[in-house]
Amino acid sequence: QVQLQESGPGLVKPSQTLSLTCTVSGGSISSGNYYWTWIRQPAGKGLEWIGRFYTNGITNYSPSLKSRVTLSVDTSKNHFSLKLSSVTAADTAVYYCAREAKYSSGWYYFDFWGQGTLVTVSS
Amino acid sequence: QSALTQPASVSGSPGQSITISCTATSSDVGDFNFVSWYQQHPGKAPTLVICDVTKRPSGVSNRFSGSKSGNTASLTISGLQTEDEADYYCCSYADGSPVVFGGGTKLTVL
Repeated sequence: QVQLQESGPGLVKPSQTLSLTCTVSGGSISSGNYYWTWIRQPAGKGLEWIGRFYTNGITNYSPSLKSRVTLSVDTSKNHFSLKLSSVTAADTAVYYCAREAKYSSGWYYFDFWGQGTLVTVSS
Repeated sequence: QSALTQPASVSGSPGQSITISCTATSSDVGDFNFVSWYQQHPGKAPTLVICDVTKRPSGVSNRFSGSKSGNTASLTISGLQTEDEADYYCCSYADGSPVVFGGGTKLTVL
């Protein structure tokens, strides 16, 4: 059973860079037909996709966040990371990491999620 | 404003059926054939209940079904149970982004 666990600071100051890591257990991050993804959810609001990378290194980003987002992966530690620069209060949210698996149709859907971690942007 | 529009809330009584719609307001949604639905209970991560518009992943109750007509996808839950009370999100490709979520619908089981 694959498990994902987010970690990182729960409080970030405005204009600084938010950094989170998602550690994967129960499977290798560098094998299989999977996307490894970041999603966020402000309190009381809906889900917002941030970006993802494929096991072959291809990345996709949300157009609205692309200029501020960097995704990276450390296969030796079996984890992947998110950096979001120049944060404001609007970036306060629960941040989830998740895996997208390829289904029989050829499309990808989220099959495993982390529990989420709350990041607050405040001085 | 999401490219996928959902009603903010729906409600139903135990045993009844409800339907949640997801309308693509963008013209760039491809064939709209890869719509999925996620259920999210308070404080929990979402879980997949429908993929490929109509398919139920293994382990999902057959009370959940999906359909599509034109640019509107729908999730129907029949035989409502109290544990179905949750937020529901549709998800699809839209506007050049491989993943776009609808705004979410809060289901209340009265």
